[in-house]
Amino acid sequence: QKEVEQDPGPLSVPEGAIVSLNCTYSNSAFQYFMWYRQYSRKGPELLMYTYSSGNKEDGRFTAQVDKSSKYISLFIRDSQPSDSATYLCAMSLLNRDDKIIFGKGTRLHILP
Amino acid sequence: NAGVTQTPKFQVLKTGQSMTLQCAQDMNHNSMYWYRQDPGMGLRLIYYSASEGTTDKGEVPNGYNVSRLNKREFSLRLESAAPSQTSVYFCASSEGPNLNYEQYFGPGTRLTVT
Repeated sequence: QKEVEQDPGPLSVPEGAIVSLNCTYSNSAFQYFMWYRQYSRKGPELLMYTYSSGNKEDGRFTAQVDKSSKYISLFIRDSQPSDSATYLCAMSLLNRDDKIIFGKGTRLHILP
Repeated sequence: NAGVTQTPKFQVLKTGQSMTLQCAQDMNHNSMYWYRQDPGMGLRLIYYSASEGTTDKGEVPNGYNVSRLNKREFSLRLESAAPSQTSVYFCASSEGPNLNYEQYFGPGTRLTVT
């Protein structure tokens, strides 16, 4: 079983829809969860992060962690064509030498 | 601030040729990383440098070498390129010393080995 699993997509939704992007993971010790956004032909950039369980909201974006199910989600409200990108989940333990483990990314297309 | 810069942006090599990918950051970060990104494989860590003067292997180090030239610069060398090294290479940096701090990525180098 891979440490972090993410559906590659592509996921196509109409503009204005609510988007749900998800990752599952196998290591129950992960405590630091991130979402990176990568536009075509660019490097990834951090979108949101959260520690442990619960929700975190930032504008149209909500990150959710369910540690009991080992499942994290990113919700995008009122999706815009500019949200079209690849979204990579990432996670880590909290020790100094623990590296970030990235998911393979989900390609998202928002249709005008 | 330019953030993380990488040169070159594109490169085509023949099998067996060598080259060095350059990376520099102007954020005074301690830690730097080299990743490759392939379709269906995601980001894979090649080498990293937790702090100036140290380098360590990541998930896929075979066929590569690195040099942390100073705090700003971290280069990746392919001694004898192979078609399997065709990929997009990203350099990243983070404040450190923890390796799980937010990483800032460069724009990438697209390498084709024929």
